[in-house]
Amino acid sequence: AQSVAQPEDQVNVAEGNPLTVKCTYSVSGNPYLFWYVQYPNRGLQFLLKYITGDNLVKGSYGFEAEFNKSQTSFHLKKPSALVSDSALYFCAVRDITKAAGNKLTFGGGTRVLVKP
Amino acid sequence: NAGVMQNPRHLVRRRGQEARLRCSPMKGHSHVYWYRQLPEEGLKFMVYLQKENIIDESGMPKERFSAEFPKEGPSILRIQQVVRGDSAAYFCASSPAGAYTDTQYFGPGTRLTVL
Repeated sequence: AQSVAQPEDQVNVAEGNPLTVKCTYSVSGNPYLFWYVQYPNRGLQFLLKYITGDNLVKGSYGFEAEFNKSQTSFHLKKPSALVSDSALYFCAVRDITKAAGNKLTFGGGTRVLVKP
Repeated sequence: NAGVMQNPRHLVRRRGQEARLRCSPMKGHSHVYWYRQLPEEGLKFMVYLQKENIIDESGMPKERFSAEFPKEGPSILRIQQVVRGDSAAYFCASSPAGAYTDTQYFGPGTRLTVL
């Protein structure tokens, strides 16, 4: 069975400082990995995904994520955080074995608070 | 290009009533997924549908819940005889096809409150 862990419930960072949101995963086959952001009372917005190729993936709004197969991690990063980045961030994995189907398995979410 | 549409955005039902949640996928998308988000939790997969077919319903509760995606019209998630534990945000996502590489794009959700 596939699973995702986001070990931090909340991350606090000062505006202008680097932001990192951690994610580790477990799958039986090869993973496809995704990051989404959720603003209050809104749906999830897609940020980026790792399918194959370069381990460093660049996405929307200046975010990037690094796939590390040996550590089974896919941490989200932004070099310089903005107050407007304050939101709930979800990591998700899709196991591409046939038995796993096409569903996404989500982590519990990490709330990011960027202080001015 | 309109995104995934869901309605209603908020739905209040009394225990024992029925709830119907609608989802219109993005233009050109023929695959729909439903997820449920309980307060302060991540999203949990419920069901995956293609037009007129249920592909994977492994996350659906065995009773009271059903889903459909007819040839014409939106996908419907139906909850019969709602209970307080059904109170949650229900999100629909769509993708162009069923490829593993496809991104799922999410709608704004329907927040169901059961009194």
